[in-house]
Amino acid sequence: QVQLVESGGGLVKPGGSLRLSCAASGFTFSDYYMSWIRQAPGKGLEWVSYISSSSLYTNYADSVKGRFTISRDNAKNSLYLQMNSLRAEDTAVYYCARDRSSGWEFDYWGQGTLVTVSS
Amino acid sequence: QSVLTQPPSASGTPGQRVTISCSGSSSNIGSNTVNWYQQLPGTAPKLLIYSNNQRPSGVPDRFSGSKSGTSASLAISGLQSEDEADYYCAAWDDRLRGVFGGGTKLTVL
Repeated sequence: QVQLVESGGGLVKPGGSLRLSCAASGFTFSDYYMSWIRQAPGKGLEWVSYISSSSLYTNYADSVKGRFTISRDNAKNSLYLQMNSLRAEDTAVYYCARDRSSGWEFDYWGQGTLVTVSS
Repeated sequence: QSVLTQPPSASGTPGQRVTISCSGSSSNIGSNTVNWYQQLPGTAPKLLIYSNNQRPSGVPDRFSGSKSGTSASLAISGLQSEDEADYYCAAWDDRLRGVFGGGTKLTVL
């Protein structure tokens, strides 16, 4: 069965860095686009970034452009999000999600990992 | 505020039909397909409707989606207590970004 398991969240000071990981299993990881989506406490969903199946294409929300970097290692079935220059407004649960058709349809989500940016 | 506009709340009694609207623009809903997600309390979102009106396997046919112009809607018929959740519409925006609605909290009275 398809599984996505995020890790790497935690408490970090403003201006700090964090690297999130998402371990995928149960499907051919290299066939799918993947995205990171976040949800601030008590708020709605916000798309963060996507990466194409071969890493050829990436894209970012304006709110994280220049600070976050998405990457993947298809040999390790893993997705990553390097987050630099973190701000308080980056505090959220971060989900990785599989795009079923490269059409921005997220059919599987991980359980999420909480990132808290606070001094 | 969110690029896609949803009512913050909706409610209905068991057995009723409820609809949730999602309003966008020509660069998102007007030119791309709409997806809907259900988020039960304390859990990750779940894909409920894709490509405007398609249901993934396992989603009951009580859930249906439609799109017209720059708006979309989710309908839930035969409302059940387990349908109490947050519902989000989503679409790709031609300005190279993904956009979600602000979410609608559905209460089953």
